[in-house]
Amino acid sequence: EAQVTQNPRYLITVTGKKLTVTCSQNMNHEYMSWYRQDPGLGLRQIYYSMNVEVTDKGDVPEGYKVSRKEKRNFPLILESPSPNQTSLYFCASRWTGYTGELFFGEGSRLTVL
Amino acid sequence: EDQVTQSPEALRLQEGESSSLNCSYTVSGLRGLFWYRQDPGKGPEFLFTLYSAGEEKEKERLKATLTKKESFLHITAPKPEDSATYLCAVQGVISSGSARQLTFGSGTQLTVLP
Repeated sequence: EAQVTQNPRYLITVTGKKLTVTCSQNMNHEYMSWYRQDPGLGLRQIYYSMNVEVTDKGDVPEGYKVSRKEKRNFPLILESPSPNQTSLYFCASRWTGYTGELFFGEGSRLTVL
Repeated sequence: EDQVTQSPEALRLQEGESSSLNCSYTVSGLRGLFWYRQDPGKGPEFLFTLYSAGEEKEKERLKATLTKKESFLHITAPKPEDSATYLCAVQGVISSGSARQLTFGSGTQLTVLP
């Protein structure tokens, strides 16, 4: 089954404690992206990757890091989480040549106390 | 900067009561306009891509249309299972011809009552 898998789905942590949200896709997609979704603000892009070892900032990259060492994986790293990073996070992927359909994971709800 | 505004924020319909959701956009050169459906606790699911004014796409009870300034998602005779948040997104074009990243609207939360 074609899917984008995120872990963890739910996480409560404290300010300053480093965490990583993993994302893996099994569709051999070149493009992967991270979004955060907040009430009234819609989906906002954090980082994206056009292919292995190629990453770029989205609209709200501050406080986040990413890496793309393998085609299927695109982890999101919060080095020192703060309460304003409490949000619902989505990973998404697609083929590079087709800009239409993004496949989304089921989301990771993060709470930073 | 690309912008997307969706209205209304929330819509409640009786089963069978047709209506439309609006997506207004400003973009520097439209590469595509996209509609997604999002169920509670789930990631968005792709519905349609529209590329140029006048284009229409249909899927079951849903029909998406596009003008140069807005898109409508028409829902004909909706059923309770159509209840979801519907997201609109646009992709503009940079001066070099490359595509921008998607810009999403905040969505319309649709509730269809039995």
